[in-house]
Amino acid sequence: EVQLEQSGAEVKKPGESLKISCKASGYKFTSYWIGWVRQMPGRGLEWMGILYPGDSQIRYSPSFQGQVLISADKSTDTAYLRWRSLKASDTAMYYCARRMIRGLFFDYWGQGTLVTVSS
Amino acid sequence: EIVLTQSPATLSLSPGESATLSCRASQSISNYLAWYQLKPGQTPRLLIYDASNRASGIPARFSGSGSGADFTLTINSLQPEDFAVYYCQQRDNWPPTFGPGTKVDF
Repeated sequence: EVQLEQSGAEVKKPGESLKISCKASGYKFTSYWIGWVRQMPGRGLEWMGILYPGDSQIRYSPSFQGQVLISADKSTDTAYLRWRSLKASDTAMYYCARRMIRGLFFDYWGQGTLVTVSS
Repeated sequence: EIVLTQSPATLSLSPGESATLSCRASQSISNYLAWYQLKPGQTPRLLIYDASNRASGIPARFSGSGSGADFTLTINSLQPEDFAVYYCQQRDNWPPTFGPGTKVDF
């Protein structure tokens, strides 16, 4: 069974760094792209970017290029989303999701990680 | 960037009724559209991909149609567990984009 298990909720201050995780199981991690989606409070979904663990290719949505870092560790089947310096506007639910073999759609999702940035 | 518009914003229905949700793209996206279901506290779920293909394990009461710029998600005989927010997403152009969502409630 495919599962994406995300790390727990975080409360941070502006300017702090953060790395959240998404551990995959039930499939070959290096054979599927994995991505991140943001949902700000009361808002819709936004595609952030995707990474192919097999060769570490990364594609960012222009809105998120330079704002976050996506990475993965093949040895632990885990994907990461990292911020160097958080802003209050980064407060949101963040989902990781597996891309379908064919097409830029996500067929399995994690449960989400709520990130709250407040002074 | 392709903009997706969903209508209506909210659909108020009762169990057993049918729901028709619309998604319109700012330009033609062929059939490269998916529908997702989001419920509070639950993992999002892919329902339909490439406009009309049901994802694995999705009940037959969910169906998708359309091509070009106009798409429809139909839910026949709504079940209590179907009350949720539904998003469409295009994959024709980078970056992939989502619509603003339609809430189906009662």
